[in-house]
Parts: sequence; structure tokens; C-alpha cells
Amino acid sequence: EADIYQTPRYLVIGTGKKITLECSQTMGHDKMYWYQQDPGMELHLIHYSYGVNSTEKGDLSSESTVSRIRTEHFPLTLESARPSHTSQYLCASSESGGTGELFFGEGSRLTVL
Amino acid sequence: GIQVEQSPPDLILQEGANSTLRCNFSDSVNNLQWFHQNPWGQLINLFYIPSGTKQNGRLSATTVATERYSLLYISSSQTTDSGVYFCAVEPNTNAGKSTFGDGTTLTVKP
Repeated sequence: EADIYQTPRYLVIGTGKKITLECSQTMGHDKMYWYQQDPGMELHLIHYSYGVNSTEKGDLSSESTVSRIRTEHFPLTLESARPSHTSQYLCASSESGGTGELFFGEGSRLTVL
Repeated sequence: GIQVEQSPPDLILQEGANSTLRCNFSDSVNNLQWFHQNPWGQLINLFYIPSGTKQNGRLSATTVATERYSLLYISSSQTTDSGVYFCAVEPNTNAGKSTFGDGTTLTVKP
């Protein structure tokens, strides 16, 4: 069982609010990822990090930003949420130098009204 | 980038039936994983299988890397098997970044 945690699981907020989705893992993995998934659709990589102070944008453009100040923590922030940001956000991690196997958190389902 | 195609897109089974899900990919890969997404949205690791065959209870998977496909077998299906099954591949040319297929939605009826 993977030790990767996301909060909140569900969030309903109004347009224009700033939100931060938290992701923490206790496995000591260097690599962490954020995927975005619309209902019934595939997952798209929006951000990834290969270690502390390293962040890169993924294949899908996103208005969100991320930070990696500690190995175990990879929060995602939206400065001003809009209805188009309504989606599920899934955090994952994998071990550097390992198999590359991804482990996912339970996801954060965001609804912006 | 690498293309990942899963088939069929939807599958409806009666409880107890067997099924085969397929994942085709367009380029050489470092690794391949199968996931089950449950109704609450959580992705559960089923198999890490860049090549060869693995079995775990009623589920098994085979990846033929040279022919760029993987198969997931579900035997004696149960209603709890319902959900979306995703294949994810990490291409050789883009190490560390996995690309997901569109998924197969499985519905198992009692």
C-alpha cells in the first residue's frame, strides 16, 4: 500500500478564490507528479518534480503552480480559481533509480462555482 | 509523443465471465503499468509489467514489448471489478514521464 496522501479530497469554492491542494508522501521518493483528470477521461501530466527545488511543467498546459521545498511535500496552487479548473487532481510519486513505478494518492476533486 | 490506445473503450460483463483488455503503444517503453480506478477516483496499482507475464489472483497481465502491446486478463469477474482500467507507459525517449491511455470502462453486472 502506497503512503501518499492528498488533501482535501473534495473542495467546492467560488470563482476567484486561491486554493492549494496538498500532497505528501512518506516513501522518500524523489520524483513527484500532478495529473489532471476530467470525468471519464484520461490523465494528463501538468507538473512534475525530480527533487527539492526542481519543478517542471508537464504535457498539458495548466494555470496552476507547484513548489518542492521538501522531498515529501509537493503542493499545487491556483491563485484565482475559475470554473474551467473544475477537475480531479491526482498526485503521484516514484523512486529515482528504481523501476519508475507510480504510486497515486486518492485524488482531490475540485469544483469551482 | 508516444501514443497509447486501449481497447475496448467500454465492456459490459455478467458476473463470472472472463475478459481481456488491450493496450497498444507506439514507441519503445521503459515501463508499463496497469491501474484500476475505483468509483471514488482512486488509482490502484495492478501490475508493473514492462515485459513478460505476471499473475495476481484472478488478474494477470502480459506485455510483449517487441510488438508494443500489453494485455490484462480478468477471470471470473466480480461486481467489485467494475471501474476504469488504465494503461500507463513511460517511453524510452521521455524517461520519468508516463503517458496514460484513454482507459477501458468495465461494468460487471450481478
